[in-house]
Amino acid sequence: GENVEQHPSTLSVQEGDSAVIKCTYSDSASNYFPWYKQELGKGPQLIIDIRSNVGEKKDQRIAVTLNKTAKHFSLHITETQPEDSAVYFCAASIRSDDMRFGAGTRLTVKP
Amino acid sequence: EAGVAQSPRYKIIEKRQSVAFWCNPISGHATLYWYQQILGQGPKLLIQFQNNGVVDDSQLPKDRFSAERLKGVDSTLKIQPAKLEDSAVYLCASSPGKNIQYFGAGTRLSVL
Repeated sequence: GENVEQHPSTLSVQEGDSAVIKCTYSDSASNYFPWYKQELGKGPQLIIDIRSNVGEKKDQRIAVTLNKTAKHFSLHITETQPEDSAVYFCAASIRSDDMRFGAGTRLTVKP
Repeated sequence: EAGVAQSPRYKIIEKRQSVAFWCNPISGHATLYWYQQILGQGPKLLIQFQNNGVVDDSQLPKDRFSAERLKGVDSTLKIQPAKLEDSAVYLCASSPGKNIQYFGAGTRLSVL
């Protein structure tokens, strides 16, 4: 089955700097790659997603890139703010019943 | 639009007791998921429903876990009897299709 690895496990940046989180997946048939933000005591919130027919997608300060050949995808957050501090999860899936999540990255944005 | 509702938010029980969690998905979402999230890990799928039918329950420990979605809307997840290793956050998610999933706030279970 699909295996998703996520790095780094923790990331600390200064406010205003950029943050990059990377994930690799094992199954080349995976075609949907969402990113979730989870704040303390809350459920994961979908922040951006990308499908395998697209190489990059942007939404304001957030962008995701996908390299199908290398089987990795990355989340980029620019101009980070303290409210971006949370745990971020990547995931990959082929069908609706096989979503696999990475182990998460705890991002801390220092004011 | 209301999100995925879950209750209770917290539950503390002793091992070998039983517990039940409830989920109300986003209106109109035919697909419902239950996930287990152990501290420091990503969510792991337990079971997926499409309307009131089970699509995938291969990761559900069926000797102690059960789930139902009788009318194709609300769902309950039950653990009986609970073990210490069941301590986790139980997340419910619903989907409008195309693999997109929206999560509830979860139920944090502590088994003592």
